[in-house]
Amino acid sequence: GIQVEQSPPDLILQEGANSTLRCNFSDSVNNLQWFHQNPWGQLINLFYIPSGTKQNGRLSATTVATERYSLLYISSSQTTDSGVYFCAVLGYSTLTFGKGTMLLVSP
Amino acid sequence: NAGVTQTPKFQVLKTGQSMTLQCAQDMNHNSMYWYRQDPGMGLRLIYYSASEGTTDKGEVPNGYNVSRLNKREFSLRLESAAPSQTSVYFCASSESWTATEAFFGQGTRLTVV
Repeated sequence: GIQVEQSPPDLILQEGANSTLRCNFSDSVNNLQWFHQNPWGQLINLFYIPSGTKQNGRLSATTVATERYSLLYISSSQTTDSGVYFCAVLGYSTLTFGKGTMLLVSP
Repeated sequence: NAGVTQTPKFQVLKTGQSMTLQCAQDMNHNSMYWYRQDPGMGLRLIYYSASEGTTDKGEVPNGYNVSRLNKREFSLRLESAAPSQTSVYFCASSESWTATEAFFGQGTRLTVV
């Protein structure tokens, strides 16, 4: 099956800093999603982005499908951005998750 | 719109007991999924139902059974719970199993003692 690798595994930021999270995948994909899992365990949809670039407020994402990677940008980070960020890709039939990037934003 | 609703939110079982986790979606989606999340492992697919009337095994199906009761509901059953099944379980749905956005429920935290 498809392999999904996320980096870095952990990230600590000061409030106001910017960051880039990366997702590499091993094969062609039909779909790619970014999720934020908040400290209460809820999975929040951030982006559905099989290709191209999207922006939503301070967050943006870019997927380069031909090179098999996606990037999630967080600008002017806030403490509420803390949590785990997951990349998930759809290969033939099911969504496969990476192991996530744990982000801690300190005040 | 509630989206994807899971019940219960928390459950403690004794080894060998059985239980069913319920999931319902109100988005008229065709495909539904059950995942488990363990520390450091991300989410792993247990079973999925690409459409009403079909179910298929995912990455970690052993010890589980599923039922796609109708288009809205997809249940996960543990026949004889084991401590290794202690996990957080997530149900999800999508319009189809190809190239559409998936939405997740709030999760069920299960502890088997």
